[in-house]
Parts: sequence; C-alpha cells; structure tokens
Amino acid sequence: DVQMTQSPSSLSASVGDRVTITCRASQSISSYLNWYQQKPGKVPKLLIYTASSLQSGVPSRFSGSGSGTDFTLTISSLQPEDFATYYCQQSYSTPFTFGPGTKVDIK
Amino acid sequence: QVQLQESGPGLVKPSETLSLTCTVSGGSISSYYWSWIRQPPGKGLEWIGYLYYSGSTNYNPSLKSRVTISVDTSKNQFSLNLTSVTAADTAVYYCARQAAATLDYWGQGTLVTVSS
Repeated sequence: DVQMTQSPSSLSASVGDRVTITCRASQSISSYLNWYQQKPGKVPKLLIYTASSLQSGVPSRFSGSGSGTDFTLTISSLQPEDFATYYCQQSYSTPFTFGPGTKVDIK
Repeated sequence: QVQLQESGPGLVKPSETLSLTCTVSGGSISSYYWSWIRQPPGKGLEWIGYLYYSGSTNYNPSLKSRVTISVDTSKNQFSLNLTSVTAADTAVYYCARQAAATLDYWGQGTLVTVSS
C-alpha cells in the first residue's frame, strides 16, 4: 500500500494568512493526488484533483502543486470558512489511501 | 446535480453483518465507479472499496475477506455488506461517486455503531 503522510498535523493561522500543507507519498504516485476539505460534522469536499487541478466551484485561493512523492496545498489568503481539516488522497493505486489530515484552526 | 444517500441500520451487534445501501439520484449509476469510505469517530478516512456499474469490484485488502459491494442498476443503488463486525467497525460510512479516481460526489454519511 502507498502510505501518505501530512505535515503539519495541525496549525493555527489568522484570516488573511498564507497557509501551506504538505503531503508525502511513500512511493511515486505521479500526479495522482487529490485534496479534500472536511468541516466538523460535514462531508469531505473535493478541492484539488490530479495534484493541481481546481475542482469546479472551489475558490481560486486554493492551489495545489507537486508530483512524484511530494505535494503541497496552498491557501493564498485564509478565509473564515477555510477553518477545517484537510486530507490528501492518492489515486495512483489501490487501495486508495488518505493522509492523516491537517487541522487548520483559528489563531 | 448528482446526489447520494446512505441508508441502513445505525446499530449492529458484534459478529453480525453491517448492510448499507446508497441511492443515487440526479444521474445514472451507469458509466461510473462507486465507492464506500468510512471514518471512525474523531479519526481519518479509510477507503473500503469500489464497484463499477457492470459489477466489477476492488476492495481494500485490509477488509477484503469481510466486504462485498454490489449494484442494483434497476434501482440506481449500490450496497455494502461487511461481515463479522466488531467495535473497530464503528464509523461514519460514506458512499461516493468515483470519477477519474477522484471522489467528487459524496453522500451525507451514516453513523453505524457496533454494540450489543
């Protein structure tokens, strides 16, 4: 199985901050990396697919980059509605696996 | 707009079988892959497996011996059966559409508790 790690596991930030979350795969997954946002008690929401493609309807302040084993999710200017947990997921090979999540909360 | 809705018992006894159904509306179940994912309370996401509308399946090896995912195209539904459950199977279970290996539409999730 491809193991996914994320860093940091949590972070505190202020509205307007630039936030970067890192995801690392245990082997190369090309660009088969997706990012999801989950708010407490809510359903995960697809933000970014194939590492850098923005899902329809997702604000442009979200961006993704990377390939191979190292990936990043960047929020250019954090908004109040962005406080949530973010998960990366590899879709290169089954079993599809998720990272443990990064919780973004208010500083 | 595609919508998914999970249904099934919220409480299952240990050693019994967990059975859930996902009803797809706003679109046909044909031509896509359909997944089940679960999330234990306060923990992360685990992919359980997927099914293609034709009936072919792919399961997480960690659950493969206990999982069956099936489809009823006439009802636009697919189902999850998980046998011999234990407390470790307590989780919110989500169904989702899998398009190009992304999970783009999700159900609201249903909490299944394993307890006697």
